[in-house]
Amino acid sequence: GESVGLHLPTLSVQEGDNSIINCAYSNSASDYFIWYKQESGKGPQFIIDIRSNMDKRQGQRVTVLLNKTVKHLSLQIAATQPGDSAVYFCAENWGNFGNEKLTFGTGTRLTIIP
Amino acid sequence: GAVVSQHPSRVICKSGTSVKIECRSLDFQATTMFWYRQFPKQSLMLMATSNEGSKATYEQGVEKDKFLINHASLTLSTLTVTSAHPEDSSFYICSAQRRPVRADTQYFGPGTRLTVL
Repeated sequence: GESVGLHLPTLSVQEGDNSIINCAYSNSASDYFIWYKQESGKGPQFIIDIRSNMDKRQGQRVTVLLNKTVKHLSLQIAATQPGDSAVYFCAENWGNFGNEKLTFGTGTRLTIIP
Repeated sequence: GAVVSQHPSRVICKSGTSVKIECRSLDFQATTMFWYRQFPKQSLMLMATSNEGSKATYEQGVEKDKFLINHASLTLSTLTVTSAHPEDSSFYICSAQRRPVRADTQYFGPGTRLTVL
């Protein structure tokens, strides 16, 4: 859903620790979900995606978990580094073939404490 | 990875004037480009979907006569904010879809910061 007027949730994590960022989505018909990283003044950068028929997917230092029962998505970042500081958005992809579009979640600002 | 550029990166204009923002896919052809708007500390909101050679599809609540989109080639889409007002001040981001269509083949531009005085 839309997040007009809301401030970004924030998460501060000590460098080297693991972080978990959560996201609730709204459309049960979404066929896949994506996590993006956005640094200040830049466009979103793809991190990892997961299809709706999966519940877990791992990448390099990142793991995404999908719980369709409660429409919840999480991004786990292992051994955080200062360069991980950014705003993280989940997005859901839905629509008919050729007319797909992304709906972005509220976003979470992650700050890594040196 | 594929590169998407936007020009200008920042623009300041007076109220009532029009501003054109360009989005280019530099090393691939994009049949579909998307335009998003992002207000400070908020999420990206899809404004419209732009398909090469056809009219753009606007999201509900987005005025097509105010936000003119032209996708004249496979590497260029433009967004023109007409008769801009201070409330149009925002961060405008485009993305370009490369084939095959996958989650990791939609590439975002660096954004354009528009300030309307």
